[in-house]
Amino acid sequence: AQRVTQPEKLLSVFKGAPVELKCNYSYSGSPELFWYVQYSRQRLQLLLRHISRESIKGFTADLNKGETSFHLKKPFAQEEDSAMYYCALRTGGGNKLTFGTGTQLKVEL
Amino acid sequence: EAGVAQSPRYKIIEKRQSVAFWCNPISGHATLYWYQQILGQGPKLLIQFQNNGVVDDSQLPKDRFSAERLKGVDSTLKIQPAKLEDSAVYLCASSLDRTRRATDTQYFGPGTRLTVL
Repeated sequence: AQRVTQPEKLLSVFKGAPVELKCNYSYSGSPELFWYVQYSRQRLQLLLRHISRESIKGFTADLNKGETSFHLKKPFAQEEDSAMYYCALRTGGGNKLTFGTGTQLKVEL
Repeated sequence: EAGVAQSPRYKIIEKRQSVAFWCNPISGHATLYWYQQILGQGPKLLIQFQNNGVVDDSQLPKDRFSAERLKGVDSTLKIQPAKLEDSAVYLCASSLDRTRRATDTQYFGPGTRLTVL
């Protein structure tokens, strides 16, 4: 069965410091990984997906199949990055997403 | 464009009562999803519709949960009877077309927070 693990419930960094939100997955097939974000009082929304290989709001994530990881990184954290981040795994031919438990990122001044 | 709409936003009921949630997806979106998010966990897919047909309901507790999307647009999710462990946020999402990567992005509604006492 598929599984997504986000080991940190809370990550606190100072503004300008690098950020890395960890995500590991377990899936026997070919995975598609996503990062979703929920800002305070806003809806859950897609941040980025691995197949796009793009940087969104300064965030990047590389799929490492050897380590079964999809960590989210940003070189310099900004205050507006404070939010809840969820890693998600898409499996099968449909559009079923399995989410991790989320990491709350807090960027302090 | 208008986003996914859900109502009510909050609901408090006693165990063994019934409750229904309503979702209106983004116009033109063929695929609709219901998720359950228990406090401290990520969203868990309960059921997925493609137009008015069920694609995946493998994680829906069918003894008490039911959902329908009769005309392929709006959807309702019902719990009857509710249990304490049903306390959660119920999220609705929609996507244009689940079968194509270019159009499968899921857009989420604000959610309904259910408290079962």
